[in-house]
Amino acid sequence: GQQLNQSPQSMFIQEGEDVSMNCTSSSIFNTWLWYKQDPGEGPVLLIALYKAGELTSNGRLTAQFGITRKDSFLNISASIPSDVGIYFCAGRSPEGAQKLVFGQGTRLTINP
Amino acid sequence: GAVVSQHPSRVICKSGTSVKIECRSLDFQATTMFWYRQFPKQSLMLMATSNEGSKATYEQGVEKDKFLINHASLTLSTLTVTSAHPEDSSFYICSATPGGLHTEAFFGQGTRLTVV
Repeated sequence: GQQLNQSPQSMFIQEGEDVSMNCTSSSIFNTWLWYKQDPGEGPVLLIALYKAGELTSNGRLTAQFGITRKDSFLNISASIPSDVGIYFCAGRSPEGAQKLVFGQGTRLTINP
Repeated sequence: GAVVSQHPSRVICKSGTSVKIECRSLDFQATTMFWYRQFPKQSLMLMATSNEGSKATYEQGVEKDKFLINHASLTLSTLTVTSAHPEDSSFYICSATPGGLHTEAFFGQGTRLTVV
Protein backbone atom coordinates (compact mmCIF):
# COMPACT_ATOMS: atom_id res chain seq x y z
CA GLY A 1 0.00 0.00 0.00
CA GLN A 2 0.93 3.64 -0.20
CA GLN A 3 3.27 4.97 2.44
CA LEU A 4 4.48 8.35 3.45
CA ASN A 5 7.95 8.74 4.88
CA GLN A 6 8.01 11.58 7.35
CA SER A 7 11.20 12.91 8.84
CA PRO A 8 12.56 13.57 11.27
CA GLN A 9 10.76 11.33 13.73
CA SER A 10 11.60 13.66 16.59
CA MET A 11 13.16 17.04 17.15
CA PHE A 12 14.55 18.71 20.25
CA ILE A 13 15.04 22.43 19.77
CA GLN A 14 15.44 25.64 21.70
CA GLU A 15 12.63 28.12 21.89
CA GLY A 16 12.92 30.63 19.08
CA GLU A 17 14.53 28.25 16.62
CA ASP A 18 13.05 27.43 13.25
CA VAL A 19 11.79 23.92 12.50
CA SER A 20 11.58 22.01 9.26
CA MET A 21 10.03 18.63 8.58
CA ASN A 22 9.09 16.84 5.40
CA CYS A 23 7.22 13.97 3.87
CA THR A 24 7.97 11.98 0.78
CA SER A 25 5.93 9.45 -1.12
CA SER A 26 6.68 6.83 -3.74
CA SER A 27 3.54 7.81 -5.61
CA ILE A 28 1.76 10.99 -6.61
CA PHE A 29 -0.66 12.79 -4.34
CA ASN A 30 -3.14 15.48 -5.33
CA THR A 31 -3.62 16.82 -1.81
CA TRP A 32 -1.21 17.33 1.06
CA LEU A 33 -2.41 18.15 4.54
CA TRP A 34 -0.46 18.98 7.67
CA TYR A 35 -1.90 18.33 11.12
CA LYS A 36 -0.83 18.89 14.72
CA GLN A 37 -1.89 16.54 17.47
CA ASP A 38 -1.71 17.30 21.17
CA PRO A 39 -1.76 14.44 23.72
CA GLY A 40 -5.21 12.91 24.08
CA GLU A 41 -6.69 15.02 21.32
CA GLY A 42 -7.58 14.54 17.68
CA PRO A 43 -5.39 16.03 14.93
CA VAL A 44 -6.01 19.66 14.10
CA LEU A 45 -5.60 20.83 10.52
CA LEU A 46 -2.80 23.36 10.05
CA ILE A 47 -2.39 23.77 6.32
CA ALA A 48 -3.96 22.24 3.21
CA LEU A 49 -2.22 22.14 -0.17
CA TYR A 50 -3.90 21.33 -3.46
CA LYS A 51 -1.55 22.28 -6.30
CA ALA A 52 1.97 21.21 -7.18
CA GLY A 53 4.35 24.00 -6.24
CA GLU A 54 1.83 25.69 -3.96
CA LEU A 55 3.36 27.52 -1.02
CA THR A 56 0.95 28.39 1.78
CA SER A 57 1.42 30.12 5.12
CA ASN A 58 -0.59 30.10 8.30
CA GLY A 59 1.00 32.51 10.77
CA ARG A 60 4.46 31.18 11.59
CA LEU A 61 3.81 28.00 9.61
CA THR A 62 4.67 27.56 5.96
CA ALA A 63 4.12 24.47 3.86
CA GLN A 64 4.80 23.61 0.27
CA PHE A 65 3.41 21.05 -2.16
CA GLY A 66 6.39 19.62 -4.04
CA ILE A 67 6.64 20.09 -7.79
CA THR A 68 6.89 16.35 -8.33
CA ARG A 69 3.70 15.87 -6.26
CA LYS A 70 5.58 13.29 -4.23
CA ASP A 71 6.71 15.45 -1.34
CA SER A 72 5.80 18.28 0.98
CA PHE A 73 7.51 20.20 3.74
CA LEU A 74 6.36 22.16 6.77
CA ASN A 75 8.39 24.94 8.34
CA ILE A 76 7.74 26.59 11.68
CA SER A 77 9.53 29.84 12.34
CA ALA A 78 10.49 31.25 15.72
CA SER A 79 9.16 28.30 17.70
CA ILE A 80 7.28 28.88 20.95
CA PRO A 81 6.39 26.45 23.76
CA SER A 82 2.86 25.84 22.48
CA ASP A 83 4.31 24.43 19.25
CA VAL A 84 5.14 21.26 21.19
CA GLY A 85 3.25 18.26 19.89
CA ILE A 86 3.21 15.71 17.12
CA TYR A 87 2.98 16.87 13.54
CA PHE A 88 1.57 14.60 10.86
CA CYS A 89 1.59 14.94 7.12
CA ALA A 90 -1.23 13.31 5.21
CA GLY A 91 -1.77 12.84 1.52
CA ARG A 92 -4.62 11.95 -0.72
CA SER A 93 -3.92 10.11 -3.97
CA PRO A 94 -5.89 10.49 -7.19
CA GLU A 95 -7.06 6.89 -6.86
CA GLY A 96 -7.79 6.92 -3.16
CA ALA A 97 -11.12 8.75 -3.16
CA GLN A 98 -11.28 10.60 0.15
CA LYS A 99 -8.87 8.30 1.98
CA LEU A 100 -5.86 9.86 3.65
CA VAL A 101 -2.45 8.27 4.00
CA PHE A 102 -0.54 9.48 7.06
CA GLY A 103 3.11 9.90 7.77
CA GLN A 104 4.63 8.47 10.93
CA GLY A 105 4.65 11.82 12.67
CA THR A 106 7.31 14.22 13.94
CA ARG A 107 7.42 14.74 17.70
CA LEU A 108 8.53 18.27 18.50
CA THR A 109 10.01 19.09 21.90
CA ILE A 110 11.02 22.64 22.79
CA ASN A 111 13.43 23.60 25.52
CA PRO A 112 12.56 26.99 26.97
CA GLY B 1 -12.96 25.26 9.89
CA ALA B 2 -15.64 22.60 10.04
CA VAL B 3 -16.39 21.01 13.40
CA VAL B 4 -16.48 17.30 14.10
CA SER B 5 -17.59 16.22 17.55
CA GLN B 6 -16.83 12.81 19.02
CA HIS B 7 -18.43 11.34 22.13
CA PRO B 8 -17.48 10.09 24.63
CA SER B 9 -13.94 11.37 25.05
CA ARG B 10 -13.12 8.63 27.52
CA VAL B 11 -14.77 5.34 28.35
CA ILE B 12 -13.89 2.43 30.59
CA CYS B 13 -15.74 -0.82 30.12
CA LYS B 14 -15.58 -4.38 31.29
CA SER B 15 -14.39 -7.20 29.08
CA GLY B 16 -17.21 -8.72 27.10
CA THR B 17 -19.34 -5.61 26.96
CA SER B 18 -19.96 -3.40 23.94
CA VAL B 19 -19.14 0.27 23.61
CA LYS B 20 -20.60 2.79 21.17
CA ILE B 21 -18.70 5.85 20.01
CA GLU B 22 -20.44 8.67 18.18
CA CYS B 23 -19.02 10.98 15.55
CA ARG B 24 -21.03 14.02 14.51
CA SER B 25 -20.40 16.68 11.90
CA LEU B 26 -21.84 19.76 13.57
CA ASP B 27 -21.95 22.33 10.79
CA PHE B 28 -21.84 20.32 7.59
CA GLN B 29 -23.15 17.15 6.05
CA ALA B 30 -20.80 14.26 5.46
CA THR B 31 -21.69 11.37 3.20
CA THR B 32 -18.41 9.75 4.17
CA MET B 33 -16.69 9.56 7.53
CA PHE B 34 -13.59 7.67 8.53
CA TRP B 35 -12.66 5.76 11.66
CA TYR B 36 -9.06 5.49 12.81
CA ARG B 37 -7.27 3.73 15.60
CA GLN B 38 -4.11 5.10 17.14
CA PHE B 39 -1.68 3.24 19.37
CA PRO B 40 0.64 5.14 21.72
CA LYS B 41 3.37 7.05 19.90
CA GLN B 42 2.17 5.81 16.53
CA SER B 43 0.40 7.28 13.56
CA LEU B 44 -3.28 6.96 12.73
CA MET B 45 -4.37 3.65 11.27
CA LEU B 46 -7.45 3.71 9.07
CA MET B 47 -9.97 1.12 10.19
CA ALA B 48 -12.94 1.74 7.94
CA THR B 49 -14.80 4.13 5.72
CA SER B 50 -18.32 4.90 6.86
CA ASN B 51 -20.78 5.54 4.04
CA GLU B 52 -24.13 7.17 4.68
CA GLY B 53 -26.96 4.82 3.83
CA SER B 54 -24.77 1.89 2.90
CA LYS B 55 -22.35 -0.60 4.37
CA ALA B 56 -19.01 0.51 5.68
CA THR B 57 -15.83 -0.43 3.88
CA TYR B 58 -13.27 -2.03 6.17
CA GLU B 59 -9.52 -2.01 5.75
CA GLN B 60 -7.69 -5.28 5.48
CA GLY B 61 -7.29 -6.98 8.83
CA VAL B 62 -10.11 -5.09 10.56
CA GLU B 63 -12.92 -7.36 11.76
CA LYS B 64 -16.23 -5.96 10.61
CA ASP B 65 -18.17 -8.02 13.15
CA LYS B 66 -15.97 -6.68 15.90
CA PHE B 67 -16.16 -3.04 14.91
CA LEU B 68 -19.70 -2.28 13.81
CA ILE B 69 -20.18 0.96 11.92
CA ASN B 70 -23.50 2.66 11.29
CA HIS B 71 -23.89 5.85 9.29
CA ALA B 72 -27.60 6.45 9.51
CA SER B 73 -27.64 10.15 8.74
CA LEU B 74 -25.52 12.74 6.99
CA THR B 75 -24.22 14.07 10.29
CA LEU B 76 -23.75 10.96 12.43
CA SER B 77 -21.62 7.85 12.27
CA THR B 78 -21.24 5.40 15.13
CA LEU B 79 -18.57 2.83 15.88
CA THR B 80 -19.53 0.00 18.21
CA VAL B 81 -16.77 -2.14 19.66
CA THR B 82 -18.50 -5.41 20.37
CA SER B 83 -17.48 -7.89 23.03
CA ALA B 84 -14.56 -5.70 23.97
CA HIS B 85 -11.31 -7.18 25.21
CA PRO B 86 -8.28 -5.50 26.78
CA GLU B 87 -6.45 -5.58 23.45
CA ASP B 88 -9.18 -3.33 22.04
CA SER B 89 -8.03 -0.60 24.40
CA SER B 90 -6.85 2.24 22.21
CA PHE B 91 -7.48 5.79 21.01
CA TYR B 92 -10.22 5.89 18.38
CA ILE B 93 -10.63 8.94 16.15
CA CYS B 94 -13.15 9.81 13.46
CA SER B 95 -12.87 12.28 10.61
CA ALA B 96 -15.21 13.82 8.08
CA THR B 97 -14.82 15.92 4.97
CA PRO B 98 -17.26 18.69 4.08
CA GLY B 99 -16.82 18.03 0.38
CA GLY B 100 -16.99 20.49 -2.42
CA LEU B 101 -13.95 21.89 -4.16
CA HIS B 102 -11.61 21.60 -1.20
CA THR B 103 -11.45 18.31 0.61
CA GLU B 104 -9.80 18.90 3.94
CA ALA B 105 -10.49 16.25 6.55
CA PHE B 106 -11.51 17.40 10.03
CA PHE B 107 -11.09 15.18 13.03
CA GLY B 108 -13.04 14.57 16.19
CA GLN B 109 -11.43 14.91 19.59
CA GLY B 110 -10.87 11.17 19.86
CA THR B 111 -12.13 8.56 22.32
CA ARG B 112 -9.84 6.83 24.78
CA LEU B 113 -11.22 3.32 25.29
CA THR B 114 -9.96 1.26 28.20
CA VAL B 115 -11.21 -2.29 28.56
CA VAL B 116 -10.66 -3.83 31.99
